Amino acid sequence: DADVTQTPRNRITKTGKRIMLECSQTKGHDRMYWYRQDPGLGLRLIYYSFDVKDINKGEISDGYSVSRQAQAKFSLSLESAIPNQTALYFCATSDWRGAGYTFGSGTRLTVV
Amino acid sequence: GQQVMQIPQYQHVQEGEDFTTYCNSSTTLSNIQWYKQRPGGHPVFLIQLVKSGEVKKQKRLTFQFGEAKKNSSLHITATQTTDVGTYFCAGGNAGNNRKLIWGLGTSLAVNP
Repeated sequence: DADVTQTPRNRITKTGKRIMLECSQTKGHDRMYWYRQDPGLGLRLIYYSFDVKDINKGEISDGYSVSRQAQAKFSLSLESAIPNQTALYFCATSDWRGAGYTFGSGTRLTVV
Repeated sequence: GQQVMQIPQYQHVQEGEDFTTYCNSSTTLSNIQWYKQRPGGHPVFLIQLVKSGEVKKQKRLTFQFGEAKKNSSLHITATQTTDVGTYFCAGGNAGNNRKLIWGLGTSLAVNP
């Protein structure tokens, strides 16, 4: 099994719908991250969490929310999806030193 | 704000040629990490450099961290088609090692 599992792998949703992307990890890491990848824009940080009680906004958090249900689980929600949220979303984990992120396989989200 | 500039954006080489990508930070970094993302895949951690002037090798890949800890390079000797992908650098903030600052990546294409 993968160290970091993201579900779903692909999702098409309509504008205005609420959608949740899920991430679970078996690395035992405290730190978890959600990134968005768009062509030419690299990886942009949406939210990050350093433990279950620590949630922080990244550089592009507007329109997104997160929940850290347990050390191993970190979900990302789009409260009301819009077309410009169409992107590839990655969840990642790291140890306390922040060295060597482990990424999930990604969720390709299309908002129509 | 803090930025990590990565050049070139794209590189197209013939198999067997060498390849280098460079990262330059506007501020001093605590560490630099390198990742590879294959087409359709997710970023995979390659290496972390921490010390000023550090040089590390992984087979045909050579990674360097500048003396001032503001720049880094990845050099691939005698490229192979398996080297195809996007290479990202990511710098740790010297003042607050809570987030990585990502470069936009260099996409490498290799002609067989």
